[in-house]
Amino acid sequence: QVQLQESGPGLVKPSETLFLTCGVSDGPITGYRWSWVRQPPGEALEWIGYVSHSGSTGYNPSLKSRVTISVDTSKNQFSLRLSSVTAADTAVYYCARSVGYSYGLSRFGEYNNYYMDVWGKGTTVIVSS
Amino acid sequence: EIEMTQSPATLSVSPGERATLFCRAGQSVTSNLAWYQQKPGQAPRLLIYGASTRATGIPARFSGSGSGPEFTLTISSLQSEDSAIYYCQHYNNWPPIFTFGPGTKVDIK
Repeated sequence: QVQLQESGPGLVKPSETLFLTCGVSDGPITGYRWSWVRQPPGEALEWIGYVSHSGSTGYNPSLKSRVTISVDTSKNQFSLRLSSVTAADTAVYYCARSVGYSYGLSRFGEYNNYYMDVWGKGTTVIVSS
Repeated sequence: EIEMTQSPATLSVSPGERATLFCRAGQSVTSNLAWYQQKPGQAPRLLIYGASTRATGIPARFSGSGSGPEFTLTISSLQSEDSAIYYCQHYNNWPPIFTFGPGTKVDIK
């Protein structure tokens, strides 16, 4: 069964850049989209963005200006960069595998559905000076 | 961006009773709806995708139904281990965006 493991600093200073990596083991990185999701203390889940094995990305509009997600297929890992962090970015950060399927066509393209079937255990990031 | 709402915020149910959780999209959507269970200190676990398909290994007491904009997660006979927060999640195609609902906390009476 594929496993995901987040890694990175647990403490980041305000205005600096948060950098996390998710290692994918016991399974391929190709054929999926790979997401980052975060959860501030006591709050709901918030999707940050995804990267596909080919490097295409999608981001949460509310975070898009500060987020970059990239993939390194040679290392079977993907990464999150979040710039100009503030205390509001303090959260547990999860990486997750997004699996999808197609079920129709429209004038815009294929209708797809994606959902997150495998999750890492999460890593806590605190933004504080 | 499609907003997802969930109700009730908290649900208290006796063991063996039925629990019904609701998720509503801010506009008519397809069946791109998933449900997750999250217990304290743990990562979310996928329960349902495509609005009604149980994920691998999920007990049959969990079922999903509905179509945009209203969806339902039913736990037919609540077990003590079902105490958790349940989130719905929608996937939008254009642009490709995932949106989570605020969650429903299920307590055991």
